[in-house]
Amino acid sequence: SQQGEEDPQALSIQEGENATMNCSYKTSINNLQWYRQNSGRGLVHLILIRSNEREKHSGRLRVTLDTSKKSSSLLITASRAADTASYFCATQGAQKLVFGQGTRLTINP
Amino acid sequence: ETGVTQTPRHLVMGMTNKKSLKCEQHLGHNAMYWYKQSAKKPLELMFVYSLEERVENNSVPSRFSPECPNSSHLFLHLHTLQPEDSALYLCASSPAGRNTEAFFGQGTRLTVV
Repeated sequence: SQQGEEDPQALSIQEGENATMNCSYKTSINNLQWYRQNSGRGLVHLILIRSNEREKHSGRLRVTLDTSKKSSSLLITASRAADTASYFCATQGAQKLVFGQGTRLTINP
Repeated sequence: ETGVTQTPRHLVMGMTNKKSLKCEQHLGHNAMYWYKQSAKKPLELMFVYSLEERVENNSVPSRFSPECPNSSHLFLHLHTLQPEDSALYLCASSPAGRNTEAFFGQGTRLTVV
């Protein structure tokens, strides 16, 4: 299975701190994506990193990918209360986008 | 607003009812997906349609029946569901055959009583 597994399952930090979430997967992939979900809503795409890329930035987001370890990390810098949400990694192979269980991030004001 | 619209947003149905979930996108995408999200479980990929042809069916019980009449519309027909089928059902679309992001609808919160 290409299912990503996020770590930790839950993370609670103070506003202004950095949040790091990790994702591991099992098989080769074309790309790895990170999504955000506010409670009970749809998922919103954050960033996509291709298998031949090692690092990617988007605003306060930084994603790394290590295909030799089959792992990725998402760093959110200078966190804000509005960053409170669940974050999912998803691996993409042929036509399928497979998600992990997610990390529940809480930013305390 | 992602450009993917799901209706209804909430649905309560009895185990003997028949209902349908609808998903619509006008993003020009030609791949559409149904996911099931239950509490404390990963998103489960149920069905994938590419160019209106079903290309993935992840051992979903036959009480769930998908339909993709064209590249802009996707349905999930429900009948004789069980209480454990209560979940958030998410539709997504993406360009087929390319490694790009998926766009999700807001989901239908289904409760089976």
